[in-house]
Formats: sequence, C-alpha cells, structure tokens
Amino acid sequence: AQSVAQPEDQVNVAEGNPLTVKCTYSVSGNPYLFWYVQYPNRGLQFLLKYITGDNLVKGSYGFEAEFNKSQTSFHLKKPSALVSDSALYFCAVRDLPSNTGKLIFGQGTTLQVKP
Amino acid sequence: EPEVTQTPSHQVTQMGQEVILRCVPISNHLYFYWYRQILGQKVEFLVSFYNNEISEKSEIFDDQFSVERPDGSNFTLKIRSTKLEDSAMYFCASSGQGPEAFFGQGTRLTVV
Repeated sequence: AQSVAQPEDQVNVAEGNPLTVKCTYSVSGNPYLFWYVQYPNRGLQFLLKYITGDNLVKGSYGFEAEFNKSQTSFHLKKPSALVSDSALYFCAVRDLPSNTGKLIFGQGTTLQVKP
Repeated sequence: EPEVTQTPSHQVTQMGQEVILRCVPISNHLYFYWYRQILGQKVEFLVSFYNNEISEKSEIFDDQFSVERPDGSNFTLKIRSTKLEDSAMYFCASSGQGPEAFFGQGTRLTVV
C-alpha cells in the first residue's frame, strides 16, 4: 500500500535560516508527490508537486522540494525562512493504483519560525 | 484565481441529526473529493466522485454518509445521523486536468 511518513512532528528554525521539512514515501511504481500547507483555521493550500522530470521542483512562496528516488524522499526546503511560514505542512502521495486521484497524507509537521 | 468554496464554515449539530455540508468546486474541474481531519490528526480520504458517481470510498464512508452533485455547481456531503466521533474539519477538494487537488477552507463540524 502507498504511504507517506513525516518523521518530525515539529521543526523549529530561526527567521532567515534555511528550513527543511522531511517526507519519505512508499509506493509501487513512480510516485506523484505533493506538499500542502495549512495555516491556522484555514484549508489546505497546494505548494508544489513532483510528477516527473527535474528532481528539484519549485513552488509557491519560495518553497522547493527535492525528489530523491534512491532515498524515497521528498523533502520540502526554503533557503531563508520567514515568520509567516509558520504553519502545518503536509506531504501527500497520489494513490496511483486506485486511479481516482485519491491523496494519502502524512501526519503533518508543524513549522515554527522564530524571529 | 478560482477556488473551492465551502459552506458553512462552522456547523454545530446534535447527535443523531442530519447535516449537509456544501461545496462549490472549481468550475471546470471534473473530479471531486471529501476529506476529513479530526483535530490534531492527519487528513483522511473519505470519497471521490467522478462522472456523477462515486469512484472510490474509504472504510470511514459508511452508510451514514452520502454525496451528491445536485446541479452543475454544488457538491454535497450528507451525514444522515451524526455521531460524536463525526466531529472534525471536513474538506472538499476538486481537480481538473492536472494531478493536484485544490481544497476549500473546510467546514468545522461539531457534534454535541
């Protein structure tokens, strides 16, 4: 079965420093991978996706993610964190065998950026 | 920019009552979904809907749940007889040609 793991419940980083939010996946076949962000009392906002091609994908708000097939990882990164980046981040994989577009989410990582 | 809209933003209902959560997906999208998030937990898939029928449902989506697309724009989730454990944030999502899904702001359902 397809699955996604986010090993850290919380990541703390100082403003201006680089940030990484980790995600590993387990799929059969080639993965479709996504990152979403959830601000307090808000919905899920799409940040970026990996389908095929370049392993480094760029998304909204200066975020990027690196697909690493050998390590089955899709870590979210940003070179310089902002306090406004503080939110809950979800990694997700599309359940390809079901072919219905269903997403399987990780448990989420809270990013706290301190001034 | 087109977005998925959900109403109401918060619904409080008594246990055993029926609730209908409403969603207006992005207009040219063809695939529709409901997910839920119990407070502090992960986002869970409930159901997907395509071509006016359910294409997949999870084991959470039992006989108490139903979905409908009553007209060309709305997509609803009905819970026939709510239970305390149905309290959660419910998200509607839609997708079009691309693989990414776009989510609404959610409806917080509180069953008392």
